[in-house]
Amino acid sequence: TQLLEQSPQFLSIQEGENLTVYCNSSSVFSSLQWYRQEPGEGPVLLVTVVTGGEVKKLKRLTFQFGDARKDSSLHITAAQPGDTGLYLCAGVDGYALNFGKGTSLLVTP
Amino acid sequence: GAVVSQHPSRVICKSGTSVKIECRSLDFQATTMFWYRQFPKKSLMLMATSNEGSKATYEQGVEKDKFLINHASLTLSTLTVTSAHPEDSSFYICSATLAGGPSLADTQYFGPGTRLTVL
Repeated sequence: TQLLEQSPQFLSIQEGENLTVYCNSSSVFSSLQWYRQEPGEGPVLLVTVVTGGEVKKLKRLTFQFGDARKDSSLHITAAQPGDTGLYLCAGVDGYALNFGKGTSLLVTP
Repeated sequence: GAVVSQHPSRVICKSGTSVKIECRSLDFQATTMFWYRQFPKKSLMLMATSNEGSKATYEQGVEKDKFLINHASLTLSTLTVTSAHPEDSSFYICSATLAGGPSLADTQYFGPGTRLTVL
């Protein structure tokens, strides 16, 4: 199992602020995914990044895959209360997904 | 499309009893289903990989005699927690991959999860 470290573990910000969440590993992944999970529900896929250096944007969310395909970041611009949730990165390892420990984000009005 | 359901969504049982959780792919056929376990505010830990018609592959440290997995059809996998104890209380989530998809790992669709509480 390849370990994925996410930071920060917890983040509490006010509406309108920007934030960045990091996902790091010592291993190379063929691709990496970001999920958002709300309490009591399953994770929902936000994006898959495949190519080293790739940048994908999803409205106010910007995802970047490191050049060496070992790390990734998620940047949220002008956070809103609806962004509150647990953000999980997951590295694709053959047939399995290796999940990071997650970043719990709270955006207050 | 690609909806995965789980039943029940919540279950409370007494210690020593067995609980069955169902995972269904509603509008697609799933060759492979995965079972995860998640503790409060923690990440998803893969328990086992289930392929239709064959025995499940369990991750290291997961007791296969305690967590029985059956994947009898392309749309249904079940997880039975046998002789449940309070430490088995957790959030169990399944996922399913599209049969014949280009990459099994990155086309997983997750169910809504089942909250198990063992008293």
